[in-house]
Amino acid sequence: QLQLQESGSGLVKPSETLSLTCSVSGDSITSGAPSWSWIRQPPGKDLEWIGYIFYSGNTHYNPSLRSRVTISVDRSKNQVSLEMISVTAADTAVYYCARVHSGSLGEHFDYWGQGTLVTVAS
Amino acid sequence: QSVLTQPPSVSAAPGQRVTISCSGSTSNIGQNFVSWYHHLPGTAPKLLIYDNNRRPSGIPDRFSGSKSGTSATLGITGLQTGDEADYYCATWDESLSAHVFGSGTKVTVL
Repeated sequence: QLQLQESGSGLVKPSETLSLTCSVSGDSITSGAPSWSWIRQPPGKDLEWIGYIFYSGNTHYNPSLRSRVTISVDRSKNQVSLEMISVTAADTAVYYCARVHSGSLGEHFDYWGQGTLVTVAS
Repeated sequence: QSVLTQPPSVSAAPGQRVTISCSGSTSNIGQNFVSWYHHLPGTAPKLLIYDNNRRPSGIPDRFSGSKSGTSATLGITGLQTGDEADYYCATWDESLSAHVFGSGTKVTVL
């Protein structure tokens, strides 16, 4: 059974950089040539898709966040990472990593981590 | 304002049936497939339905999905106390060029 676990800085100062890692266990991060996504949920608000990285290494980000985010994969460590620069209080949220299944019909998120809370405050 | 609109809450007695609607537009549900997720705060969200109406291995047939036009529906029959959670729909939005999620629906078993 694939398991995902997010970790990283729980408290980030405004204007600084948020860095998170998603450690994947139970299978190789490359098995089945999947894509990997980050999704977040601010307190009391909706889930917001941040972006994903394809097996090829190409990325696609939510246009609303594109200028500030980078998603990368470290295959040797079986990890997916998220960096977000110039954070503000509006970036306070629970951040989830998820595996993307791209089938012949549509895409969906078939495995998720339990999420990690990131608070932006001075 | 969410791109995909869901009722904030639904409730029913054990054993009964509930349905959760997900209303979108021609740029999202109208063109793409819908997935549904079960979420208990503090835990990992779980995929319930994908490609509008398909269930992953291990998801009981009490859960079903359908889509018509720009709306989708999740049905839960034989409601159990363990079904109490938040439920979200999701799909791709062509105009936004992004995955979008519904506003979430809290299911309460009376």
